[in-house]
Amino acid sequence: DAGVIQSPRHEVTEMGQEVTLRCKPISGHDYLFWYRQTMMRGLELLIYFNNNVPIDDSGMPEDRFSAKMPNASFSTLKIQPSEPRDSAVYFCASSPDRVGGYTFGSGTRLTVV
Amino acid sequence: GDSVTQMEGPVTLSEEAFLTINCTYTATGYPSLFWYVQYPGEGLQLLLKATKADDKGSNKGFEATYRKETTSFHLEKGSVQVSDSAVYFCALTNNAGNMLTFGGGTRLMVKP
Repeated sequence: DAGVIQSPRHEVTEMGQEVTLRCKPISGHDYLFWYRQTMMRGLELLIYFNNNVPIDDSGMPEDRFSAKMPNASFSTLKIQPSEPRDSAVYFCASSPDRVGGYTFGSGTRLTVV
Repeated sequence: GDSVTQMEGPVTLSEEAFLTINCTYTATGYPSLFWYVQYPGEGLQLLLKATKADDKGSNKGFEATYRKETTSFHLEKGSVQVSDSAVYFCALTNNAGNMLTFGGGTRLMVKP
């Protein structure tokens, strides 16, 4: 298995632009998670899905952020409009069950200038 | 709510030294406990886990014992290598949900 695949690996964009991050979870994993990592706040859970349904989005910082999972093999995290404070590494992770360890992707490093 | 507290880093050791990274937690019920490792430029990887009290998780020479009486899950390794340099995260899930709660991470630097 190729693991959790995220794209792009790096994204540099100007303030105000729309940014879309992509994730392909491991086949058969029913749970998908989006995390954000910064030096100041560490790892923050933004949102997670179970069987493609959003379960908890309380970590999404504001309305500028949205996430979708149209099918079991694909999810997106969109920021519109982007701001410099959104600069961070965004990780996607998937898991087969409630107690198992998560498998993380390699992350997308987002820089908003 | 649930929380995980790790010792602050960085932890700097010489090769072959003994490693301990402290982790304590607060959680309802009976959580499962995890250690993840993040190498530079990469995502987090599961290192080891323990799902009930007194369980010992182990992998690649690392080990941690689930201590319910002290609510701790300290990571240990008898002899570290330069290749162990990374950031280590302690985490838990409680039995009422399936979200990982992470500690702040501890950076380990091993010098030759």
